[in-house]
Amino acid sequence: DTGVSQNPRHKITKRGQNVTFRCDPISEHNRLYWYRQTLGQGPEFLTYFQNEAQLEKSRLLSDRFSAERPKGSFSTLEIQRTEQGDSAMYLCAVSGVHEQFFGPGTRLTVL
Amino acid sequence: KQEVTQIPAALSVPEGENLVLNCSFTDSAIYNLQWFRQDPGKGLTSLLLIQSSQREQTSGRLNASLDKSSGRSTLYIAASQPGDSATYLCAVQGDYGGSQGNLIFGKGTKLSVKP
Repeated sequence: DTGVSQNPRHKITKRGQNVTFRCDPISEHNRLYWYRQTLGQGPEFLTYFQNEAQLEKSRLLSDRFSAERPKGSFSTLEIQRTEQGDSAMYLCAVSGVHEQFFGPGTRLTVL
Repeated sequence: KQEVTQIPAALSVPEGENLVLNCSFTDSAIYNLQWFRQDPGKGLTSLLLIQSSQREQTSGRLNASLDKSSGRSTLYIAASQPGDSATYLCAVQGDYGGSQGNLIFGKGTKLSVKP
C-alpha cells in the first residue's frame, strides 16, 4: 500500500472525448505531483502542487490538460479533446520527508 | 538540463547471481537520488533513497551507492531471485536552493531472473 490511490485504474476513450482522473492520498501531504509514462520510457513530470497551489507545469502539459487540487488533499487531472498521443500511464505521487511515493496509476488508451 | 541514463536497458541472469545496475546523471546539483521498482502495468515502488550528502543505502539484499561528483549511482542486488524480475528505475531530484524539485527519470533497466 503506497498511501496513494488513483481512479480509474484503466480508461478507454475515443479520440476527441474528455477524460478526468483522480488521485487520493491517504494522509496529508503538502506536495502532490503528476507524471506521465509511455511504453518503454521512464515517467515524465507534468505538474505539481504545494497544498492547493499549482506551482509548476512542464511544457508537456498542453492547454488541453488541466489539473486541480481544490482543498489541498485530492487532485484531478483532466484531458480535453483527447488524442491518440495521450495514451499513456498517468501517475500521481506525493512527497514524504525526502522521497516520493507513487500511486498505482491510471492507464489511458485513446482509440 | 538534467539527463538520466540507465545501462543496461535489459539484463537476464540466472537465479542466485549478484548483479549491478547502473545510473548516470549529467548535473551533479541533486537533492537526492531514488531507485524504484516497477512491475508490468503497475505503479512505482520506492526501493532506496540516497540523499545528496550520503554515499550509500542498504535495504535487505539491495545496496545503492551514490558518487555525486561523477554523476553515478549503482544498485547492487545480491543473490537474485525470480521475484526480483521487474523494471528498475533511477530518478534524481533537483536541488533548488535546498527545495525539492520534481523527479527526473531514466528509462529503466528491465531485469529478468531465470529460475
